[in-house]
Amino acid sequence: QVQLVQSGSELKKPGASVKVSCKASGYTFTTYTMNWVRQAPGQGLEWMGWINTNTGNPTYAQGFTGRFVFSLDTSVSTAYLQISSLKAEDTAVYYCARMAGLAAAGVWFDPWGQGTLVTVSS
Amino acid sequence: SYELTQPPSVSVSPGQTASITCSGDKLGDKYACWYQQKPGQSPVLVIYQDNKRPPGIPERLSGSNSGNTATLTISGTQAMDEADYYCQAWDSSTVIFGGGTKLTVL
Repeated sequence: QVQLVQSGSELKKPGASVKVSCKASGYTFTTYTMNWVRQAPGQGLEWMGWINTNTGNPTYAQGFTGRFVFSLDTSVSTAYLQISSLKAEDTAVYYCARMAGLAAAGVWFDPWGQGTLVTVSS
Repeated sequence: SYELTQPPSVSVSPGQTASITCSGDKLGDKYACWYQQKPGQSPVLVIYQDNKRPPGIPERLSGSNSGNTATLTISGTQAMDEADYYCQAWDSSTVIFGGGTKLTVL
């Protein structure tokens, strides 16, 4: 079945970097755009942007430019999220999610990865 | 920028019907979808393209979208339906999430 499996929890100090992985299985990786969504503790879902898995071209949502980088390794069907210069406010669960649909007919996320908790603390 | 507004909480008695709304400017001209998120779990798609259910989602969950409001309706609400629900739409090449609604089954 279609599945997204993310890397495990991370504890980082302020100023450090982290790289979260999202391995896809059960479908052709390059057929669907991969998205990243952040959920801070006790808060709602926040869309970070997506990466075109065919071209490798990323699109970042407002507020997620500069320190956030999306990348791919299509040979292992894996997407990555790297965050640099970590701050305490980056503490959150980060989800990858496969995007389905077409803009004219709506888009939706299915499935989602299990989430990766990134904790930034000194 | 486009915004989607949901009530922070909705309460319902077991067996009754729960309605969760999602409001946005001319939302009915776009497509809405809904996610269910239980504590400690990832969101799960329950409605897409306004009113379609993915495989495995019970028929008692339904969706509609007209005017400025999309609605997720849960008929015969069960304890297992207690969760956070998020609406989502697409506007100007951007994914928008509502703030989420906590459904409590009393």
